[in-house]
Amino acid sequence: AQSVTQLGSHVSVSEGALVLLRCNYSSSVPPYLFWYVQYPNQGLQLLLKYTSAATLVKGINGFEAEFKKSETSFHLTKPSAHMSDAAEYFCAVSDQNQGGKLIFGQGTELSVKP
Amino acid sequence: DAGVTQSPTHLIKTRGQHVTLRCSPISGHKSVSWYQQVLGQGPQFIFQYYEKEERGRGNFPDRFSARQFPNYSSELNVNALLLGDSALYLCASSLGGSSSGNTIYFGEGSWLTVV
Repeated sequence: AQSVTQLGSHVSVSEGALVLLRCNYSSSVPPYLFWYVQYPNQGLQLLLKYTSAATLVKGINGFEAEFKKSETSFHLTKPSAHMSDAAEYFCAVSDQNQGGKLIFGQGTELSVKP
Repeated sequence: DAGVTQSPTHLIKTRGQHVTLRCSPISGHKSVSWYQQVLGQGPQFIFQYYEKEERGRGNFPDRFSARQFPNYSSELNVNALLLGDSALYLCASSLGGSSSGNTIYFGEGSWLTVV
């Protein structure tokens, strides 16, 4: 069965510092992986997705993620945090047997200090 | 272009009542999925519909049901509401088909509070 684990339920960084949000997946087949962001009291917005093309995926708002098969990881990074990046971030894997079904991690809350 | 739209945005129900949540997918999208997000957790898959047929069901009781209409909009129904049903209900749409790499777009959600 596929699953996603996000390491760290809460991450705090200073404005301008590197953002690193960790995601590890479990899948018996090559996965499709996604990062979504959720601002308070809102729905989910897609940041980026990996679908077996380039291993380094660039997304919106300066975020990127690198797929590492050997480490079964898909960590999200941003070189310089902005106050507006404060939100909940979710990593998800697409169920290979059922397109349209996403399996989400528990989420990581990012706080950005001035 | 309009994104995924959901209604109502907020509602309060009493235990034992029934609720219907509505969703309109992005134009051209034929697949609609429903997720439940309890406070502090990631979304959990409830249903997926494609071309008006149920294509998947998550681990939810039979009190939860859904359907998709010819215009691809969808309804989620929950009967005999329990306090534990209080959550954000998210609708998502995608092009559909068999590809699991399709991008899935989410609506703003419907906040359900059961008292």
